[in-house]
Amino acid sequence: GAVVSQHPSRVICKSGTSVKIECRSLDFQATTMFWYRQFPKQSLMLMATSNEGSKATYEQGVEKDKFLINHASLTLSTLTVTSAHPEDSSFYICSARWHEQYFGPGTRLTVT
Amino acid sequence: KQEVTQIPAALSVPEGENLVLNCSFTDSAIYNLQWFRQDPGKGLTSLLLIQSSQREQTSGRLNASLDKSSGRSTLYIAASQPGDSATYLCAVTPSYDKVIFGPGTSLSVIP
Repeated sequence: GAVVSQHPSRVICKSGTSVKIECRSLDFQATTMFWYRQFPKQSLMLMATSNEGSKATYEQGVEKDKFLINHASLTLSTLTVTSAHPEDSSFYICSARWHEQYFGPGTRLTVT
Repeated sequence: KQEVTQIPAALSVPEGENLVLNCSFTDSAIYNLQWFRQDPGKGLTSLLLIQSSQREQTSGRLNASLDKSSGRSTLYIAASQPGDSATYLCAVTPSYDKVIFGPGTSLSVIP
């Protein structure tokens, strides 16, 4: 089956620093990947749609300058949280589309 | 605007019981509906995907139904086990590039 990986699975960073999260499709090519955020006891909310070779499309209310998305190849999309703050602490999940969306295992970000 | 709700928000049952989780969506124009399982602090595990043209899907002790016209889906779990304890998410695909999740039902199966 289609497998999507994320790295790292957990990251702790200090307030004001930037952190990069990688999303890879391991056995298929994905022109489109998606980034979701999940706050504690809440459901997943789509942050942005990442398209290979073009700019990402952000959902309303998501700051594009804070959450930088780069879809560098057909198997890799990265999400960089810039100048992280404690309120950015969340669970970030990516998905890649190949007929349907396949989800990664998620990255737990804690900003201290 | 498509909205997805799930009832109940939390459920606690003794081991061995059969149970039903409910999902409702406001717009019947969907490509498919999917049920996921999420363990605490973990990612998503896809359980069942029902295409818009289908009425139900089964996998082991799980059975999911879809009534598009009424905007409802149910996930039936037979003979529940403690290992079934998790949060169950319902998600609809209203367009090719969109997946909208419900808030989830937190299930606890008591040994």
